Amino acid sequence: AQSVTQLDSQVPVFEEAPVELRCNYSSSVSVYLFWYVQYPNQGLQLLLKYLSGSTLVKSINGFEAEFNKSQTSFHLRKPSVHISDTAEYFCAVSDRNFNKFYFGSGTKLNVKP
Amino acid sequence: GAVVSQHPSWVICKSGTSVKIECRSLDFQATTMFWYRQFPKQSLMLMATSNEGSKATYEQGVEKDKFLINHASLTLSTLTVTSAHPEDSSFYICSARDPAGRTDTQYFGPGTRLTVL
Repeated sequence: AQSVTQLDSQVPVFEEAPVELRCNYSSSVSVYLFWYVQYPNQGLQLLLKYLSGSTLVKSINGFEAEFNKSQTSFHLRKPSVHISDTAEYFCAVSDRNFNKFYFGSGTKLNVKP
Repeated sequence: GAVVSQHPSWVICKSGTSVKIECRSLDFQATTMFWYRQFPKQSLMLMATSNEGSKATYEQGVEKDKFLINHASLTLSTLTVTSAHPEDSSFYICSARDPAGRTDTQYFGPGTRLTVL
């Protein structure tokens, strides 16, 4: 069975500062890894994903995550955050058929001016 | 991009009553939809997979007689919480895959907050 751990429930950070949201997973099989973002009153939106190939994946709005198989981690980073990045971020793994997604408990990123 | 809606966005009901939550894919046809629930400060937990025209597949520990799922069309799946009790209060989220689009992506609805008094 798979599980996902996001140790930080809330991360406050000042605007233009760097941020890292941590995600660790456990799985007995190969999985795919995802980060989703949820803005207030909206559904989860895919931010980025790792399926194969380069272990460093990037989103269009400056976030990146690196798949580390040995540490079973998929931490999300951004070198300089904006107020508009304030949202809740969910890490997830899926099976190879993309049928079952297992989510972490989420990390609320609060960017302060 | 693909859009999934849910209705209602929130509902309050009395204990013992039934509540129906709708999940619609607005601009694509979804042969498969998924239902999740989320308790405060906890993960989204997959409850069941809804397949158009056939029975839903429930995850272990989810009572199929309590959480009735109907996927009657390619754009609509419903979740009915029967004889709701306060412990059923939760945030229910649906998602759908667009078989004509990227199969590795699930599109999520905004969720429905259920409060059972």
